[in-house]
Amino acid sequence: DQQVKQNSPSLSVQEGRISILNCDYTNSMFDYFLWYKKYPAEGPTFLISISSIKDKNEDGRFTVFLNKSAKHLSLHIVPSQPGDSAVYFCAAYNDYKLSFGAGTTVTVRA
Amino acid sequence: GAGVSQSPSNKVTEKGKDVELRCDPISGHTALYWYRQSLGQGLEFLIYFQGNSAPDKSGLPSDRFSAERTGGSVSTLTIQRTQQEDSAVYLCASSPSGKGYTFGSGTRLTVV
Repeated sequence: DQQVKQNSPSLSVQEGRISILNCDYTNSMFDYFLWYKKYPAEGPTFLISISSIKDKNEDGRFTVFLNKSAKHLSLHIVPSQPGDSAVYFCAAYNDYKLSFGAGTTVTVRA
Repeated sequence: GAGVSQSPSNKVTEKGKDVELRCDPISGHTALYWYRQSLGQGLEFLIYFQGNSAPDKSGLPSDRFSAERTGGSVSTLTIQRTQQEDSAVYLCASSPSGKGYTFGSGTRLTVV
């Protein structure tokens, strides 16, 4: 069963605007959440993470928000840049294993 | 090495043949994972190694799939009697047993 869900397969945003990516999860045992970015023909690379004891983590243009009661997290990218065009995976940790969402393809338009 | 290395980067094989995919993790990383990504799908967990043992093999799709790890380092994922549904990108990741995975670039397997 899919414990981590990204319901939007794609997102198109204009350069300079905000990109908001959403992720929902079902397993309340998840204690750590991450976002990965993936370019074609490359492996996913770590972007930003958040512990379940926090509700926000910021790193430059990237901010992750966690709403534990809703089992929902989001990634905000401000401002969006052409190099942000990639597939973004939401992932959640339980013990030793990461469970991934299906990914959201972000396209930043000039 | 500096990163996780996977070989080959691409593999085309005929249906029914066996294939071996190799992963060289980051030196010193005790945890090693195999995932696969089928077309249009997310990353599907296959197997987890801690050292040379595999405490979680729950994601292996069938008994045609097996994996081993030797010397706490290199891992090989073997698929016997390949089928077309095995076509995917196979990703290896390693971790120093914390919460950070580092992925390799993957092996794109195409079964024809």
